Amino acid sequence: NAGVMQNPRHLVRRRGQEARLRCSPMKGHSHVYWYRQLPEEGLKFMVYLQKENIIDESGMPKERFSAEFPKEGPSILRIQQVVRGDSAAYFCASSPPDPRETQYFGPGTRLLVL
Amino acid sequence: SQQGEEDPQALSIQEGENATMNCSYKTSINNLQWYRQNSGRGLVHLILIRSNEREKHSGRLRVTLDTSKKSSSLLITASRAADTASYFCATDAKDNTGKLIFGQGTTLQVKP
Repeated sequence: NAGVMQNPRHLVRRRGQEARLRCSPMKGHSHVYWYRQLPEEGLKFMVYLQKENIIDESGMPKERFSAEFPKEGPSILRIQQVVRGDSAAYFCASSPPDPRETQYFGPGTRLLVL
Repeated sequence: SQQGEEDPQALSIQEGENATMNCSYKTSINNLQWYRQNSGRGLVHLILIRSNEREKHSGRLRVTLDTSKKSSSLLITASRAADTASYFCATDAKDNTGKLIFGQGTTLQVKP
């Protein structure tokens, strides 16, 4: 059973470009969470999705950031017009239908904005 | 401010010694989880303890939970150099969405 997969593992963008981060949850998991980790800090919740639904986006910046989890395919976190402050590690986690169960994390995507 | 706060922020010990890390949180929880993160890598789940549990063991790991004090501790016994990593506690939000609230982490260095 493959774990949570994220790609790309590293992404370099220039200011103003778009960044697309992908996450495939573990098999059988229907809940996806995105977190951001700034250097030397803990993870901060961004958004929680189920298939075709955004359940909680209270941690998402109001502008430039969006997330989706389509019926088919991976979940995508999209950052438009990136700025240097967006440089961080972005982690995806998935969990089974009971959200109180363990979340399993992917290896993360490290975004560097030049 | 963060829901979970770990202390100490950094800990350096010799191989073979025990390492204890503490975590405090502010609101009521369903469960508390501990994760390990090696430098530049993803998070590895270590252990989950539910609010109705007081202590849990997994190999060399021992986790306690005191809901009256809103605190948890992670004990690593007979530490090894490979235990060198950052350790995070994470609590779930009581809204039952499952989203986790992380502390700042404890950086553990185990010297061979």
